[in-house]
Amino acid sequence: DIQMTQSPSSLSASVGDRVTITCRASQGISNYLAWFQQKPGKGPNLLIYLASTLQSGVPSRFSGSGSGTDFTLTISSLQPEDVATYYCQKYNSAPWTFGQGTKVDIK
Amino acid sequence: QLQLQESGPGLVKPSETLSLTCTVSGDSISTTTYYWGWIRQPPGKGLEWIGNIYYSGTPYYNPSLESRVTISVDTSKNQFSLKLTSVTAADTAVYYCARGVRAWGQGTLVTVSS
Repeated sequence: DIQMTQSPSSLSASVGDRVTITCRASQGISNYLAWFQQKPGKGPNLLIYLASTLQSGVPSRFSGSGSGTDFTLTISSLQPEDVATYYCQKYNSAPWTFGQGTKVDIK
Repeated sequence: QLQLQESGPGLVKPSETLSLTCTVSGDSISTTTYYWGWIRQPPGKGLEWIGNIYYSGTPYYNPSLESRVTISVDTSKNQFSLKLTSVTAADTAVYYCARGVRAWGQGTLVTVSS
């Protein structure tokens, strides 16, 4: 099965910083990758699908890129409300594995 | 608009079967080409994909759970369900149902305890 590895596992950044989270697949998955944001005590919220398509209603400071095995989620200017754990998920074929998560907080 | 709602017992005894249902409104399970699936999250841990079922009825499961999991569809009720047998405390989690990756239910906590 294809493994999904996120890095870093956690990060701390200042408000206004550019933040990048990486997700690497152990084999190619084309662009079948989604990114989710989960705030403390809440369910996951879809940010990006098909690697780079922004879900309706998601702020434009979030963007996704990549194809094949290497993907990135970028927050162009970190805001206090972006404190959350971020997960990638592959969905090209079963199993639709999640990454282990990246916890983002404010420095 | 599309809504998914999980329902089922919030408490299950060890060794018994966990059964959950996801009721779909705003879309038809039988006529749209989506995967209908289940995801869970143990307290304080990450997300785990359990499995899904294609609209045609073909199920796909997480290999780590495959021996205990069944996902099925009831098109007459526009619902799909999850059964997980021989549960232990490690199966305590919030369980989410989803359509593809783009639409999720709010989740339901299932605790395994005697």
